[in-house]
Amino acid sequence: DAKTTQPTSMDCAEGRAANLPCNHSTISGNEYVYWYRQIHSQGPQYIIHGLKNNETNEMASLIITEDRKSSTLILPHATLRDTAVYYCIVRVALLMNRDDKIIFGKGTRLHILP
Amino acid sequence: DVKVTQSSRYLVKRTGEKVFLECVQDMDHENMFWYRQDPGLGLRLIYFSYDVKMKEKGDIPEGYSVSREKKERFSLILESASTNQTSMYLCASSGTSGRYTDTQYFGPGTRLTVL
Repeated sequence: DAKTTQPTSMDCAEGRAANLPCNHSTISGNEYVYWYRQIHSQGPQYIIHGLKNNETNEMASLIITEDRKSSTLILPHATLRDTAVYYCIVRVALLMNRDDKIIFGKGTRLHILP
Repeated sequence: DVKVTQSSRYLVKRTGEKVFLECVQDMDHENMFWYRQDPGLGLRLIYFSYDVKMKEKGDIPEGYSVSREKKERFSLILESASTNQTSMYLCASSGTSGRYTDTQYFGPGTRLTVL
């Protein structure tokens, strides 16, 4: 069952901020929000994750609402190389848990327009 | 930076051949995973390992085996390749924090075609 909902596709102009939303209304208290992306024919690339506080790294920022039912991934200055499918997942990974696996939904196909 | 490498980006094999896919990570991660990714089916876990010489079946282990003789290396073996094993194979690794596994980092993938 999909635990997250994302728009199917989005466009963003090069140089602008890309804001990718994700709904996860059934998230549990110990589940993290993770974002990955996958450029065509390449392996998924980890972007960022968070529990309840906003997070920022060299790639992106993650804004999580106070009720944790939704989040937004922000790519501050999108480039053509950011064109990819972006996956939002929720995950709690207990050691030796057979459910410790990554399951992607359909994700959001982000097109960066020149 | 975490680096997960896979032995081949593209591989073409014939039905019945034995196929070895190798994965190496350089972050001293305890946990390693093999997935396959197919259009419309998403990521599916084949096998995983939480320690050297340990292995656990994932959701679709049939037709595959694995080997983890060294911490940094996790091999996927197709004993007798079949056309329905044509797929993108992805290796991932993660560390451990207490009772939890950390972020999974993926390799670049191996696109295997079985003729």
